[in-house]
Amino acid sequence: AQSVTQLDSQVPVFEEAPVELRCNYSSSVSVYLFWYVQYPNQGLQLLLKYLSGSTLVESINGFEAEFNKSQTSFHLRKPSVHISDTAEYFCAVSDTVGGSEKLVFGKGTKLTVNP
Amino acid sequence: DGGITQSPKYLFRKEGQNVTLSCEQNLNHDAMYWYRQDPGQGLRLIYYSQIVNDFQKGDIAEGYSVSREKKESFPLTVTSAQKNPTAFYLCASSKGLAGTETQYFGPGTRLLVL
Repeated sequence: AQSVTQLDSQVPVFEEAPVELRCNYSSSVSVYLFWYVQYPNQGLQLLLKYLSGSTLVESINGFEAEFNKSQTSFHLRKPSVHISDTAEYFCAVSDTVGGSEKLVFGKGTKLTVNP
Repeated sequence: DGGITQSPKYLFRKEGQNVTLSCEQNLNHDAMYWYRQDPGQGLRLIYYSQIVNDFQKGDIAEGYSVSREKKESFPLTVTSAQKNPTAFYLCASSKGLAGTETQYFGPGTRLLVL
């Protein structure tokens, strides 16, 4: 079964600093990868996803993630964060092996952006 | 506006009581899901449904039950058999069950035990 590891449970940064949120998944032949964001006391929203093609995917608010098959990683990055980026970020994976259609989520990384 | 609604926002359960959480979507999605979120645990799948009148157990189905009588509705009942029900419950939907589909989430229901 797939598993997802988010290496940092909390990441504090200052405003305008760069940030990287790390995500590793267990290996599989073919995977689909997602990053979701959860603002306090709300549901999750899709930030970006990798299905196929270019290994670098971008969101509309400046985040990007790179699919690295050899390292089984899908790290999320932003070159300059804002206070409004404070939220919890979840990496998720689904695969096509064995007919599994379920998303498996990591435990989340809380990003806190300080002024 | 299309979306997913969950009610109530907060729910209190007494010992031995069953409670039902509502989830409604107007996105015309076939697939619906229930997740439980505990601090530091991420999201864990309780039940999911691919189509009306069909649903499957997820990873932590014990102590929960669901129904899918209408396409737009997927209520979750937390039974008295669930000994630790305090958590944040999230409902989601997607066009289909394929692994490529984006899931859309409701605002959640926080369940507390009195």
